[in-house]
Amino acid sequence: QSVLTQPPSVSGAPGQRVTISCTGSSSNIGAGYDVNWYQQLPGTAPKLLIYGKSNRPSGVPDRFSGSKSDTSASLAITGLQAEDEADYYCQSFDSSLGGAVFGGGTKLTVL
Amino acid sequence: QVQLVESGGGVVQPGRSLRLSCAASGFTFSSYAIHWVRQAPGKGLEWVTVISYDGGNKYYADSVMGRFTISRDNSNNTLYLQMNSLRADDTAVYYCARDRGRFSNWFFDYWGQGTLVTVSS
Repeated sequence: QSVLTQPPSVSGAPGQRVTISCTGSSSNIGAGYDVNWYQQLPGTAPKLLIYGKSNRPSGVPDRFSGSKSDTSASLAITGLQAEDEADYYCQSFDSSLGGAVFGGGTKLTVL
Repeated sequence: QVQLVESGGGVVQPGRSLRLSCAASGFTFSSYAIHWVRQAPGKGLEWVTVISYDGGNKYYADSVMGRFTISRDNSNNTLYLQMNSLRADDTAVYYCARDRGRFSNWFFDYWGQGTLVTVSS
């Protein structure tokens, strides 16, 4: 059972907008810790997608954006493309556990 | 460019030990905290441990506390993970991942390709 909760799967057609939710608690997201997002393409290592207040590393398209409210966060992907098909993970810090915590991951399928 | 290359994985019997290495290049290794993150087959990501830039601060997940030890050799740009008393549920791909800060900012901006550890009799 992951500390952060994500839907197991989401899907969308090319060009559409999808969102992936990430629900935490008062010891992580609700405590004000940043939520970061990672993309893991099949058979590869995770890659940082969004960090902090919706910051994108160099090379990440602005189709990807993040938001946070209370004890939850969301990743939005607009203009969905086939190459976006991957697993997506949210991540934060948990003060009760004293370490980084991840969501269980969400598999995005592009229809 | 930033590169992290893990090695040392393999098949090991329960209760035995294994040491992983992570060779870093393309950045000033001694200026960054580094993490180990693992992923069991078909499962999600699990943070394991982190070490500060100078090795002075280390933190561990409860699941590995007392069994795993993280260390680093800044003169050789290498990170290590000593894993003792291995259990079947330690079976995973182990990734080293760079933090943004000297201590931990608690996110991972570059990842290695991972090394597979299988604990089985």
